[in-house]
Amino acid sequence: NAGVTQTPKFRVLKTGQSMTLLCAQDMNHEYMYWYRQDPGMGLRLIHYSVGEGTTAKGEVPDGYNVSRLKKQNFLLGLESAAPSQTSVYFCASSSGSEQPQHFGDGTRLSIL
Amino acid sequence: AQRVTQPEKLLSVFKGAPVELKCNYSYSGSPELFWYVQYSRQRLQLLLRHISRESIKGFTADLNKGETSFHLKKPFAQEEDSAMYYCALKVRSGSRLTFGEGTQLTVNP
Repeated sequence: NAGVTQTPKFRVLKTGQSMTLLCAQDMNHEYMYWYRQDPGMGLRLIHYSVGEGTTAKGEVPDGYNVSRLKKQNFLLGLESAAPSQTSVYFCASSSGSEQPQHFGDGTRLSIL
Repeated sequence: AQRVTQPEKLLSVFKGAPVELKCNYSYSGSPELFWYVQYSRQRLQLLLRHISRESIKGFTADLNKGETSFHLKKPFAQEEDSAMYYCALKVRSGSRLTFGEGTQLTVNP
């Protein structure tokens, strides 16, 4: 049982490039989340989804887009990467709003 | 909007000493509070939640609504407790977590 799997684990981009981070969960969870982790700022919610086909903005959504076409996958896209988006990105999922969130290992993204 | 504050970015104690990681929150309603932990090279995981009122790995945390705090305590710290600890808040009607800035705990031998 893999839980929450994030790909890739590391990536270096140039300013202006685009890329998609993939989060996959095998726990049949309804809720999925994307966070970014920055030193001294904790984890901040970017976007989240409460079910297949639905997405919602979190605390810091600008510059990111998401899609939840399949229940088990939650994609985070950067259309035009900026150095300010250099961060560690975490995906999480939960079976319901009252249930704890399970986290992936993170994706370390550097934008030059 | 809700907010979580962890005033100590770094906390260092010796093995066997008591440890307290502070967490304060601001929210006008009735929140749910959590502590998450991230050990070196491991993923973030739930340590405990206030509604469970349980002790995990010797850690406890009591929600003090009067002081709007949810401090994490352990009477005798162990080296394996060294990790990054995050306090988080969830409003009862929602699913989103608001995290504090995190406290890096180091337990020295």
